[in-house]
Amino acid sequence: QKEVEQNSGPLSVPEGAIASLNCTYSDRGSQSFFWYRQYSGKSPELIMSIYSNGDKEDGRFTAQLNKASQYVSLLIRDSQPSDSATYLCAVIGGFTGGGNKLTFGTGTQLKVEL
Amino acid sequence: DTGVSQDPRHKITKRGQNVTFRCDPISEHNRLYWYRQTLGQGPEFLTYFQNEAQLEKSRLLSDRFSAERPKGSFSTLEIQRTEQGDSAMYLCASSLGQWAKETQYFGPGTRLLVL
Repeated sequence: QKEVEQNSGPLSVPEGAIASLNCTYSDRGSQSFFWYRQYSGKSPELIMSIYSNGDKEDGRFTAQLNKASQYVSLLIRDSQPSDSATYLCAVIGGFTGGGNKLTFGTGTQLKVEL
Repeated sequence: DTGVSQDPRHKITKRGQNVTFRCDPISEHNRLYWYRQTLGQGPEFLTYFQNEAQLEKSRLLSDRFSAERPKGSFSTLEIQRTEQGDSAMYLCASSLGQWAKETQYFGPGTRLLVL
């Protein structure tokens, strides 16, 4: 079982719609959760961090964390073509000795269509 | 610009050659990380420094790879006797460490192609 799992996509949504990106993780001790956006050929850019169960909103972005289900999601409201990118879920910490390193999923490719 | 910088941005080398990459972290960030990313995959952890001390190395980091962070400022990653499998994007990230709540900021990466 992979430590962090994401559907690779592509996930296609029409402009203005809500995009929902999902991530599950295997280490129940994981403590910090991040969403990074990565445009093709570029480096990851931090979108959101979340540490506690529940929702965290920042502009058009909402991160949701459910530690009991080991599930993290990212909602993008009013999706724009500029949101088309790969979204990487990453976690820090855990019982398996994760330390401070980020463990990434393989990313979900999002396409926002006009 | 006070973000993480990396040099060079691109490197093409022949198999068997040595290469060295440099990373300059955000000033005052005490932690520096190296990751490697291949096409279609998420970044994979290689090693990390807290100040000048190298605190963790991944099993991915063979003995051909060495990293340093003298004086706790910039860091270098050297790959000796490069192999075609070393072709990847090498990413550096820095953070102001608060364990488990730190945020890592990435540099632009160095894209390595081994011919």
